[in-house]
Amino acid sequence: EIVLTQSPATLSLSPGERATLSCRASQSVSSYLAWYQQKPGQAPRLLIYDASNRATGIPARFSGSGSGTDFTLTISSLEPEDFAVYYCQQRSNWPRGYTFGQGTKLEIK
Amino acid sequence: QVTLRESGPALVKPTQTLTLTCTFSGFSLSTSGMCVSWIRQPPGKALEWLALIDWDDDKYYSTSLKTRLTISKDTSKNQVVLTMTNMDPVDTATYYCARKYSSSAYYFDYWGQGTLVTVSS
Repeated sequence: EIVLTQSPATLSLSPGERATLSCRASQSVSSYLAWYQQKPGQAPRLLIYDASNRATGIPARFSGSGSGTDFTLTISSLEPEDFAVYYCQQRSNWPRGYTFGQGTKLEIK
Repeated sequence: QVTLRESGPALVKPTQTLTLTCTFSGFSLSTSGMCVSWIRQPPGKALEWLALIDWDDDKYYSTSLKTRLTISKDTSKNQVVLTMTNMDPVDTATYYCARKYSSSAYYFDYWGQGTLVTVSS
């Protein structure tokens, strides 16, 4: 089973700063990696799929990169509404299943 | 407009069986490639995938919970049902249903708002 490890666990930044979040897979997942944003009391929202494609309606300040085992979510200039928890996710083909990372909390400094 | 809504008991006792229903609109589970999944999140913790059912009635389960889970669908009612047996306090979580729109996709594009289930005597 593929394990996703996110770092850091918590990231403290100020509005306007650049955020860089990492997700590392225990084995190659090619480019099959997605990112979600979750705000308190809300369901996760799909941000990025296939490592670098923004989902519908996601602002351009969100970008994803990487392939194989190392992936990055970048928020170019933080807006107040971006402070949330971010999860990466992938699919395993055998056994068939879906795995999430443990999350990175992006908090206001 | 795609929407999903979870429903079920807010409180269950240890050893009881939990039954949750996901009622959706804006898509059909009879459409080739369409899937609905259940995912849970204990308070303050990460997301955990539980089960998935596809348009062809194929079912997939979390390896660690497989013996306790059953997922089924009623296409005519636009519903997916998850049952989890032998509930324990560690199963206390918000349970989400989510859509996966094609066989080739691996991500979940629409989610319900979630339902909190507490396991306590």
